[in-house]
Amino acid sequence: QVQLQESGPGLVKPSETLSLTCTVSGYSISSGYYWAWIRQSPGKGLEWIGSKYHSGATYTNPSLQSRVVTSVDTSKNQLSLKMTSVTAADTAVYYCARDTPYSGLDVWGPGTLVTVSS
Amino acid sequence: EIVLTQSPGSLSLSPGDGATLSCRASQSVSSSFFAWYQQRPGQAPRLLIYGASNRATGVPDRFSGSGSGTHFTLTISRLEPEDFAVYYCQQYGSSVRTFGQGTKVEI
Repeated sequence: QVQLQESGPGLVKPSETLSLTCTVSGYSISSGYYWAWIRQSPGKGLEWIGSKYHSGATYTNPSLQSRVVTSVDTSKNQLSLKMTSVTAADTAVYYCARDTPYSGLDVWGPGTLVTVSS
Repeated sequence: EIVLTQSPGSLSLSPGDGATLSCRASQSVSSSFFAWYQQRPGQAPRLLIYGASNRATGVPDRFSGSGSGTHFTLTISRLEPEDFAVYYCQQYGSSVRTFGQGTKVEI
């Protein structure tokens, strides 16, 4: 079955760049669908960060657009997230998910906690 | 951007009770692109309902979704202990996906 797994540093310093990778297994990213990043600050709700199609089309949350870059590496079957100039407000659990046109976010990774602190 | 507002913020219920959760959109949403998710403590969200009324694979039939336009509802007919969780609505019909703020169903 399709599985997603996030990975990356658990601690990032303020003003630096957060970089995360999501490895997809059981499905080839190049077969289709968008692939999304979502985050959840401690004790808060879900915030959609952005979604990217394997061939390049990208949608990004306008509130984060100036700091976020998402990409897909079909050779590694991975998606990645880069967020620049992070602050403590970016401390959150970051999830990746498959973003389907009619079934929403149907498969999620377990999430990875990123803490922004010096 | 479509804003989704969920109500109530929390529900205190007992196993066996029924629950009705509401989600209102700031503008009309196609029912084809509306979903509900369940999040248990310490877990990732799980897709429950897509297309406003379609249960995802493995979701028990005590969960049902309905609605159209700007008002959508998630109904849980008889709460089981594992149903006590936070529920989020989401629209994915626009290029900017949005979530509601969540409804916590607690014992």
